[in-house]
Formats: sequence, structure tokens, C-alpha cells
Amino acid sequence: NAGVTQTPKFRILKIGQSMTLQCAQDMNHNYMYWYRQDPGMGLKLIYYSVGAGITDKGEVPNGYNVSRSTTEDFPLRLELAAPSQTSVYFCASSYSGRPSGAASTDTQYFGPGTRLTVL
Amino acid sequence: GENVEQHPSTLSVQEGDSAVIKCTYSDSASNYFPWYKQELGKGPQLIIDIRSNVGEKKDQRIAVTLNKTAKHFSLHITETQPEDSAVYFCAASPYNTDKLIFGTGTRLQVFP
Repeated sequence: NAGVTQTPKFRILKIGQSMTLQCAQDMNHNYMYWYRQDPGMGLKLIYYSVGAGITDKGEVPNGYNVSRSTTEDFPLRLELAAPSQTSVYFCASSYSGRPSGAASTDTQYFGPGTRLTVL
Repeated sequence: GENVEQHPSTLSVQEGDSAVIKCTYSDSASNYFPWYKQELGKGPQLIIDIRSNVGEKKDQRIAVTLNKTAKHFSLHITETQPEDSAVYFCAASPYNTDKLIFGTGTRLQVFP
């Protein structure tokens, strides 16, 4: 299994441009997540999905959109890039998405990240 | 909502010494606490986790302790090695949610 894959690894955008960050997993996980990581700030949840066709907002959703048409893919869309969106973006997936449950399969598995700079 | 604080932000130890990282959480309903290790240029990787019905869990050189009354949990690494150098994140998951709330991270450096 490749696990969680993300493309591209790096990207530079100009203010106002748009782009889609791709995320795919081959573990048949139900739940997928998008985080952003800023220096000294930990990881903040942007959006998440509990299954195909279902998405919900996290802590910092403004300026982003997501879709989940298949179990495997969970793209993140930036419509009008702003310098405040300069960050490292991580996609993650988990089997049931309920870490509070008893199942050990609730672990979140992370992709390698996309480093985005908006100038 | 849940808030997780993590200390220290940086930690330097000599190889062979122990390292301790502490986190506090605000929501008493949180009941799952994972620890992630992030190496340079990579995504976070789970190294150990603990649920609220357990006070301590060990996995070789790594252990996590949980004090529900005080709402804090700690990561203990014994006999540190240079390959333990990384950024470590704690997290908490409020009961019956699908989310993890992360701490701000600790950069651990182990000097040979």
C-alpha cells in the first residue's frame, strides 16, 4: 500500500490564483482530513470527511473548499490564494474516525505534505 | 472547545538521557490522547496513544502517562538516541467527535 499520497510537494502561487491540492489513500479508510501547519502553531484542522459525499468544517475552513466524490480522494481547493494561506498542508485518513472508540484502527495516518507559498 | 497546551517548545538532551514532554487539555470529556513524531520533511506519525480508562502505557523506550484529574498527559522517552530527534506533537480528541486538537509541538534534539 502507498498509504496517503499528496501532490504536489511544493507550489508557489501568486495572490488571487487558484489551485487544488490532491490527496489520495489506498487503505479503504472512511475518514479523511486536511490540516495546515504553521511554524510554532501545531496542526489546525481545515475540513474533514466521514465518507464519500459528506464533508464538514474544521477549525480554520475560510478560504478553502473540499469535495469527496470517492472513498479514495479528498482534494482541497484554494479559490483566491492569499499570503495568509502560506503553510504546509497535510492530508490524513483513518478507518472509523472515532478515536474515542475502542477500535485501534482509529489512528490517523498522514501524507508527506504540500508546502505552499503565496506571494 | 478543546484547547491543548504543550511544553517545552524545544528540548535538548544528551544521548542516553531521558526526555519528558508535557501537555494539558481543557475539555474533561476528552478521552483519547495520541502522540505523533514528525521528522524533517515528513508527515506526523503516531508513536503511542492512551485512552482515558488507562493511566499509563509503555512501548519499549516510550511511555505515556495520563492524569485525568489534573487534565494533563506526558510523553517519556528513556535512553534517548540521535534518531529520536524530531518534532513531537500531543493531541486530544473530545468524546464522540471525529477531530484531533493538536498541541503546538516540541522540537527534541538529542546530542551524541
